[in-house]
Amino acid sequence: GQNIDQPTEMTATEGAIVQINCTYQTSGFNGLFWYQQHAGEAPTFLSYNVLDGLEEKGRFSSFLSRSKGYSYLLLKELQMKDSASYLCAVRMNYGGSQGNLIFGKGTKLSVKP
Amino acid sequence: NAGVTQTPKFQVLKTGQSMTLQCAQDMNHEYMSWYRQDPGMGLRLIHYSVGAGITDQGEVPNGYNVSRSTTEDFPLRLLSAAPSQTSVYFCASSSDTTGWATEAFFGQGTRLTVV
Repeated sequence: GQNIDQPTEMTATEGAIVQINCTYQTSGFNGLFWYQQHAGEAPTFLSYNVLDGLEEKGRFSSFLSRSKGYSYLLLKELQMKDSASYLCAVRMNYGGSQGNLIFGKGTKLSVKP
Repeated sequence: NAGVTQTPKFQVLKTGQSMTLQCAQDMNHEYMSWYRQDPGMGLRLIHYSVGAGITDQGEVPNGYNVSRSTTEDFPLRLLSAAPSQTSVYFCASSSDTTGWATEAFFGQGTRLTVV
């Protein structure tokens, strides 16, 4: 079976840096995605890693280690609007497709003044 | 605007009723999928399709049927609604014919309550 773990909740201070970890054990691996989801809205794409290493995009960075089954999302210079749920998801072999996306349960981040 | 359109946005059903959640995309995407999202459970894959005429089960398919007669439409049918199907449902489509891609789009969701 597959298992994707991330912390349920995190709290951080405006202006600070926060790291959200994700570990996975899946049957097949074809990439790891991070999504942001504000309450009552659809998820929006943040980042994608398929090779080991760090991908940086503005205030957001994502890291992947395939050998360790581990990824993290790093958010810098936190803003109040970053309060949201962050979803880790693995693109994997599932059913007859190599490209289904299976999600972790999400991490709810609260940014405080 | 181009994208994924879900209807309705909100729905209340009585136990045992049937209904169809509509999903349409105008981007000519081959891959489409349905997820449900419940508190504490994250997004779970219900069914997916890699093209017209091709559908397959996801993680939680029981109680749901799908069909894909056209590239644009991927309806989700609840044949006999149960309270356990109270959830937020998201449809998504992707430009990658093999599955999910960075250019994947979610619909805005359907909030379904079964009483």
